[in-house]
Amino acid sequence: RKEVEQDPGPFNVPEGATVAFNCTYSNSASQSFFWYRQDCRKEPKLLMSVYSSGNEDGRFTAQLNRASQYISLLIRDSKLSDSATYLCVVNFSNDYKLSFGAGTTVTVRA
Amino acid sequence: NAGVTQTPKFQVLKTGQSMTLQCAQDMNHEYMSWYRQDPGMGLRLIHYSVGAGITDQGEVPNGYNVSRSTTEDFPLRLLSAAPSQTSVYFCASSRKGRKIGYGYTFGSGTRLTVV
Repeated sequence: RKEVEQDPGPFNVPEGATVAFNCTYSNSASQSFFWYRQDCRKEPKLLMSVYSSGNEDGRFTAQLNRASQYISLLIRDSKLSDSATYLCVVNFSNDYKLSFGAGTTVTVRA
Repeated sequence: NAGVTQTPKFQVLKTGQSMTLQCAQDMNHEYMSWYRQDPGMGLRLIHYSVGAGITDQGEVPNGYNVSRSTTEDFPLRLLSAAPSQTSVYFCASSRKGRKIGYGYTFGSGTRLTVV
């Protein structure tokens, strides 16, 4: 079983729509959680950290459910520029190593 | 404001050849790491370093060597290239003491094909 699992998608949504997807992780002792964004053939870039109480950054909302061991990302009012692959990232052991999911692809169409 | 610089951007090797992927950062980051990215598998950690002179293995270290003689540079050496090493390689760095993962800066990647 992979440590971090994501629905690969793709999620094809029209501009202005809301899209949400989850990521599950296997280690209940996981310490830190993040969403990274990766554009086609580019390097990953940090989108946002995920806090226990949930957090927002503009149109993006992240949630953490420790009991069920998943995190979620919701994008409101989707823009064409939101088209990307979203990587779920987990730190299991409070060192500097991160475990990455394979990514969820989102395509926003005009 | 270079950040993390990886060279080369593209490389084709023949099976059995060796080569070194270069990674340099100018942010004085203590932590550096190498990942490989394959379709459907996510990024997998190859080797990492928490400071000059200190390196350790990640999830998929076989066939690769690293060294960290300076804070700035963290080269990845392929000892004898195999087709299974065809992948996109990313170098990343972070300052120690910050929230883990918050300050991860990635290089633009090296696309390696082994034939």
